[in-house]
Amino acid sequence: GESVGLHLPTLSVQEGDNSIINCAYSNSASDYFIWYKQESGKGPQFIIDIRSNMDKRQGQRVTVLLNKTVKHLSLQIAATQPGDSAVYFCAERRNYGQNFVFGPGTRLSVLP
Amino acid sequence: EAQVTQNPRYLITVTGKKLTVTCSQNMNHEYMSWYRQDPGLGLRQIYYSMNVEVTDKGDVPEGYKVSRKEKRNFPLILESPSPNQTSLYFCASSLSWTGGTGELFFGEGSRLTVL
Repeated sequence: GESVGLHLPTLSVQEGDNSIINCAYSNSASDYFIWYKQESGKGPQFIIDIRSNMDKRQGQRVTVLLNKTVKHLSLQIAATQPGDSAVYFCAERRNYGQNFVFGPGTRLSVLP
Repeated sequence: EAQVTQNPRYLITVTGKKLTVTCSQNMNHEYMSWYRQDPGLGLRQIYYSMNVEVTDKGDVPEGYKVSRKEKRNFPLILESPSPNQTSLYFCASSLSWTGGTGELFFGEGSRLTVL
């Protein structure tokens, strides 16, 4: 069945360093992926998305990489800041519509 | 301000006492969905609605009901809550069921405890 998971449940990085959050997915037919950020006490917020016909997509300080060969997705955050501390989820679209399968999340802690 | 509003944000109730968690969005979105979030399990979909009067089950619909009589509202109903429904609930909306980006707009969450 479908599953979306994260390799590391927690990640601690020094302020100013780059962060890499990983995600594995199992459905090779998935065509669309999203990363969400969830700050404490809030709902998830969209960060960046990528379609399966792309390998890389860049936003402001964030980059998503998609490796379809090994069914792996990663989120890179450049120059990590204290405000980046949050739980990050990857989400994989099912084979239709707007229904997504979410991973369990990775908690990113930024150390001063 | 564009937003998804859930109420109540916090609720402690007892087994069997019917409750409703309301969700309203002001973005004229067609698609709405309910999720529950439990530690280590991420977000799991309960029910979703593609448009007014069109709803369908998600992955964990047991013990829940929904309705979509108006475009802006999508209440989640627990007819007879049980302790295993203790969770953090999120309502989300998106512009349409198909097309566009998949970006979901989430509410702030409703923390429910069933004793």
